[in-house]
Amino acid sequence: DIQMTQSPSSLSASVGDRVTITCRTSQSINTYLNWYQQKPGKAPNLLIYVTSNLQSGVPSRFSGSGSGTDFTLSISSLQPEDSATYFCQQSYSIPWTFGQGTNVEIK
Amino acid sequence: EVQLVESGGGLIQPGGSLRLSCAASGFTVSHNYMSWVRQAPGKGLEWVSVFYSAGNTFYADSVKGRFTISRDNSKNTLYLQMNSLRAEDTAVYYCAREVTDSGTHYYFDSWGQGTLVTVSS
Repeated sequence: DIQMTQSPSSLSASVGDRVTITCRTSQSINTYLNWYQQKPGKAPNLLIYVTSNLQSGVPSRFSGSGSGTDFTLSISSLQPEDSATYFCQQSYSIPWTFGQGTNVEIK
Repeated sequence: EVQLVESGGGLIQPGGSLRLSCAASGFTVSHNYMSWVRQAPGKGLEWVSVFYSAGNTFYADSVKGRFTISRDNSKNTLYLQMNSLRAEDTAVYYCAREVTDSGTHYYFDSWGQGTLVTVSS
């Protein structure tokens, strides 16, 4: 199975800050990497697919990059509504696996 | 509008069985890849099973031999039959639709609200 390691596990930042979350995989997955946002008590919501493609309706302050084993999710200017947990997920090979999540808190 | 509505969760004793349902609307289940993903309380996401449009099915090792994914095309509904339940199966179970941009890259674009399964005596 492909192991996913996200860092940091949590962060606290101010409104307007640039935030970066990293996802590292145990083997190369090309660009088969997706990002989800989950708010408490809600289902995950797709943010970015295939490393860097913004899902329809997702604000442009979100962006993704990377390839191989190292990927990043960036929020260019953090907003109060971005307080959530973010998960990366590989779709290179079954079983699909997720990172452990990064909890983003607003200071 | 794409909508997924799970049902069937509840409190069940260890060793018991439960069947979850995921009723879809706004699209055809049999034309899509459909997965179950679970989340234990306070934990991360764990993929459980997928039903490919062609009919193939796959399972996480943690549930293989105990869980069975199926679909009813006439009801546009996905199911997860869970047998020999264990305490570690306690989780919110989500059904999710997988879509592709190119036929090779897949991702979960739509999720249900989830149904809670609690395995406890």
